[in-house]
Amino acid sequence: SQQGEEDPQALSIQEGENATMNCSYKTSINNLQWYRQNSGRGLVHLILIRSNEREKHSGRLRVTLDTSKKSSSLLITASRAADTASYFCATPRKGTLTFGKGTMLLVSP
Amino acid sequence: GAGVSQSPRYKVAKRGQDVALRCDPISGHVSLFWYQQALGQGPEFLTYFQNEAQLDKSGLPSDRFFAERPEGSVSTLKIQRTQQEDSAVYLCASSFNRDRTYEQYFGPGTRLTVT
Repeated sequence: SQQGEEDPQALSIQEGENATMNCSYKTSINNLQWYRQNSGRGLVHLILIRSNEREKHSGRLRVTLDTSKKSSSLLITASRAADTASYFCATPRKGTLTFGKGTMLLVSP
Repeated sequence: GAGVSQSPRYKVAKRGQDVALRCDPISGHVSLFWYQQALGQGPEFLTYFQNEAQLDKSGLPSDRFFAERPEGSVSTLKIQRTQQEDSAVYLCASSFNRDRTYEQYFGPGTRLTVT
């Protein structure tokens, strides 16, 4: 069973626009991670946010974490065609990472 | 530096055949994970090694699945008597961290198709 669930399932935007995707989880966590997967580079770790952090930035990525609502969001600013990929949140559960089903992002030129 | 590598990248097996999937983790990484990813789904945990010790195999779907890491580096996932439901991408990941819940580095995966 999955711990995190991403929303929306799919998102289509134009280059230059921002993309926001959300993740909800069920149990208490010590961190939450976002990964990206595309056919060219496989599954790649993007960012980790700890439970005592509310917001974190990495380049064009901004992640927020609300532990009271058990939710996180990933914002990609000024999107590029190369951002086209599936994005997964991953949370610890039973001593290992569990992944959601992902949000499929399509960025059109 | 070199990342996690997996071989073969693609494998087609007839139902009932045995297959062996190889993973070369990043040098020095003590933790190694295997995941199964079905089409349109996120990766599902199969098993975890810390060095050569298999500490968690709770995600292996049946006793037809077997994994080993005898010298604490390269790992092999073996599936005996493959079934069509075994068709998936098998991902290997490694981490320098002994805590299994931190950043993991993934290989490109092996896409297994059972016909």
